[in-house]
Amino acid sequence: QLQLQESGPGLAKPSETLSLTCSVSGGSINRSRYYWAWIRQPPGKGLEWIGSIYYSGSTYYSPSLKSRVTISVDTSKNQFSLKLSSVTVADTAVYYCATLDTRGWFDYWGQGTLVTVSS
Amino acid sequence: DIQMTQSPSSLSASVGDRVTVTCRASQSISKYLNWYQQKPGKAPKLLIYAASSLQSGVPSRFSGSGSGTDFTLTISSLQPEDLATYYCQQSYSTPLFTFGPGTKVDLK
Repeated sequence: QLQLQESGPGLAKPSETLSLTCSVSGGSINRSRYYWAWIRQPPGKGLEWIGSIYYSGSTYYSPSLKSRVTISVDTSKNQFSLKLSSVTVADTAVYYCATLDTRGWFDYWGQGTLVTVSS
Repeated sequence: DIQMTQSPSSLSASVGDRVTVTCRASQSISKYLNWYQQKPGKAPKLLIYAASSLQSGVPSRFSGSGSGTDFTLTISSLQPEDLATYYCQQSYSTPLFTFGPGTKVDLK
C-alpha cells in the first residue's frame, strides 16, 4: 500500500517560489505503473491538476501553469518535488501529491498541505 | 482543452435515497472518465475508474455509467457517510487532465 506525504513551508510571499516535496513509502518510486502528480485545491474550490512526472524524468504540466512549474524526482530518496515560481495570492491552496496510474486515474493521495501566499 | 461540467452543483437527499450526479464533457471522451469522493478536510478518494469500474474497497452502492460526453455516478441507497463532494475527471487528453467543478451531496 503506497503512502504519500507532502512537506514544505506553509507560507510563501508574493513573487517568491513555492517548494514542496512528496515522500513516498510502501513502494519504490521507480514503478512503471505510475506517474507521480501534483494537484491543488484553492480554499472552497475544486481540484486542479498541476503536473505529473515519470520516474525516468518525463514531465507534463498544465498549460495554464506551465511557465511557472517545475516537477522533479529524486529516486534515491523516493521523493518528488514541486516548484511554483512567481506566486500570487491566487496560488493559495491545499497542495496534494498523488499517484497517477498510467491508465489515467489518481489512486493514492497524500493528506494535502495548505500553502498560503501572503506578504 | 476538454471542459468538464457537473450537475447539479449541490443536492440534498435523505438516507436511503437513490442519488444521481451527472458529468458532461465538452467533447467525446469515450470511457476515459473517473469519479472521486472528497469529504471535508480530507483528500479525494478514487471511487470509479474508466466510467464504470468500481475501485477496490468501494461499496457496491456506488456505480458509474456513460460514454462519449455524458456520464452518471449513482449512489443506490445514500448512507450518512456518503455526505461529500463528488468530482469527475477526464483522462482522454492524457497526459493532460481536467476535473469537473464538483457536486456537493448533503442530508435533507
